[in-house]
Amino acid sequence: SQKIEQNSEALNIQEGKTATLTCNYTNYSPAYLQWYRQDPGRGPVFLLLIRENEKEKRKERLKVTFDTTLKQSLFHITASQPADSATYLCALRFSGGYNKLIFGAGTRLAVHP
Amino acid sequence: DGGITQSPKYLFRKEGQNVTLSCEQNLNHDAMYWYRQDPGQGLRLIYYSQIVNDFQKGDIAEGYSVSREKKESFPLTVTSAQKNPTAFYLCASREGEVANTEAFFGQGTRLTVV
Repeated sequence: SQKIEQNSEALNIQEGKTATLTCNYTNYSPAYLQWYRQDPGRGPVFLLLIRENEKEKRKERLKVTFDTTLKQSLFHITASQPADSATYLCALRFSGGYNKLIFGAGTRLAVHP
Repeated sequence: DGGITQSPKYLFRKEGQNVTLSCEQNLNHDAMYWYRQDPGQGLRLIYYSQIVNDFQKGDIAEGYSVSREKKESFPLTVTSAQKNPTAFYLCASREGEVANTEAFFGQGTRLTVV
């Protein structure tokens, strides 16, 4: 069955450092991969999308890479700030699926001043 | 303002009762989804719909039912057959078959069985 894995342990980093979050998947041929941010008690909010034929995507302080050979995406936040503290979810829509969007469990990021 | 609205925000249910969670969107999106989130866990797909009058079971559909009679509405009923319904329920919508579309989420409904 299809499976998405994200680090279940929280990531604690110091303000100003780069946070790197990992998303691994198995048994997928995803058309694209998305990253979302979720704050406690709220719905997820879309951040970035990267297609299977793209290796890297950037948006302001965010960078996403996508390695279809390793079946892995890395999500980077540079110059991190306490306001970046949240849970970050990756999501996959696999090729040929009926618009089925599957999410990982998310990784909680805490940025300390 | 375009968006997706879930109601109510908090819902309490007695054991053995059916309850219906509302989800409405005015984004003109074809695809709509229901997810369940348990504390410290990710989103698990309950049901999804690509178009009006069509819906598909997700990974944890047992004990739930949906309808899609209108494009803008995708209500979820939690039936008495759902053994552990206490959770945070999230509704989402997307444009549909266009490949590079993001999902827009509502603010969620927190259901508690009392």
